[in-house]
Amino acid sequence: DQQVKQNSPSLSVQEGRISILNCDYTNSMFDYFLWYKKYPAEGPTFLISISSIKDKNEDGRFTVFLNKSAKHLSLHIVPSQPGDSAVYFCAGYQGGKLIFGQGTELSVKP
Amino acid sequence: DSGVTQTPKHLITATGQRVTLRCSPRSGDLSVYWYQQSLDQGLQFLIQYYNGEERAKGNILERFSAQQFPDLHSELNLSSLELGDSALYFCASIPGTTPTGEQFFGPGTRLTVL
Repeated sequence: DQQVKQNSPSLSVQEGRISILNCDYTNSMFDYFLWYKKYPAEGPTFLISISSIKDKNEDGRFTVFLNKSAKHLSLHIVPSQPGDSAVYFCAGYQGGKLIFGQGTELSVKP
Repeated sequence: DSGVTQTPKHLITATGQRVTLRCSPRSGDLSVYWYQQSLDQGLQFLIQYYNGEERAKGNILERFSAQQFPDLHSELNLSSLELGDSALYFCASIPGTTPTGEQFFGPGTRLTVL
């Protein structure tokens, strides 16, 4: 049972445009949702999170939206930069555990 | 640099063998998590230790075991290795508990089983 799903393995956008990464979940008990970014040969690094009682959280170029009725969250990156090219994982947090999606590889082209 | 270190970076071994992966958490962090990332998969939670005690278990095989030592470093032992155990293994640490779920990850150990 995959509780967190990222259905797009890859996404390619032009520099300066918006990147939208999507994530669906099935577990309504998650307390927080997190986005992690991962570069090759490095571990995941925390990017942004959102409480399950919120519907939006913003940090600079990064905004996460949560739609609880649809059990869907998305990460918006505006404007996208070549340095944003990485694999992005969404994760649900509950009871001390992180449950990760499969990841989406974002490529930002100059 | 997250402050979490993992050794070795790469490990190549044969089926049936046993290996030990090591993780040193950030200074002061009491809790260590282990994850496995296989090809095209997300990170799968294996096990968590808190101050030397096992706290939670995920999808960890019986052939795998872990422990956390008094100096808080942790080791993940993988035995009777199979081809399918080839993966990236990450550890992560947090101070004790975290209400938001943020964990700090090491760079990982890439295990290749031939």
